[in-house]
Amino acid sequence: DAKTTQPPSMDCAEGRAANLPCNHSTISGNEYVYWYRQIHSQGPQYIIHGLKNNETNEMASLIITEDRKSSTLILPHATLRDTAVYYCIVTNAGNMLTFGGGTRLMVKP
Amino acid sequence: EAGVVQSPRYKIIEKKQPVAFWCNPISGHNTLYWYRQNLGQGPELLIRYENEEAVDDSQLPKDRFSAERLKGVDSTLKIQPAELGDSAVYLCASSGLPTNTGELFFGEGSRLTVL
Repeated sequence: DAKTTQPPSMDCAEGRAANLPCNHSTISGNEYVYWYRQIHSQGPQYIIHGLKNNETNEMASLIITEDRKSSTLILPHATLRDTAVYYCIVTNAGNMLTFGGGTRLMVKP
Repeated sequence: EAGVVQSPRYKIIEKKQPVAFWCNPISGHNTLYWYRQNLGQGPELLIRYENEEAVDDSQLPKDRFSAERLKGVDSTLKIQPAELGDSAVYLCASSGLPTNTGELFFGEGSRLTVL
């Protein structure tokens, strides 16, 4: 699986959009981009995934660049409950996940 | 619908003692995973089951760790004897579809402290 690079931490003001970047320059054509998050003292939770096209669900939007070498997870209106570690994972099998260090997002009032 | 259930949530033991963790996956999920998460790091896969068969246990330290999934439902992860470095959160997850779109559902984890 391709490796990913994420900033170790980010801050966001409550009510503003949180944009979490992820670099995956070695991604191959059959690999998906998955995002999970882990709130303190809980297990990781699936957020969204995509292959080429941008995706949106009730939790977030995923923007994948045309060359697929990077992506951005967007939380449109961050709340305090969105404070968590966000993991970007690239894999050709959604049931085979290799977690990196993730980005620790702190949403501040 | 109940999620993935793990027990115990917390366990404190002395080194060289045995310990066991139990996981009940989401009903109908054929694939079950055990991950270990050290403080400040992402989870690392220990073992993956498809029904009752362990299909990937390459990262399981087999000298002291063992796992079983009898009847392809519940699973138990055992450590014997425990070492100080085994202190971590042990996460169980399950998924229903062995496909590219199958997402994993995680339990809350079992936090082990070895003294």
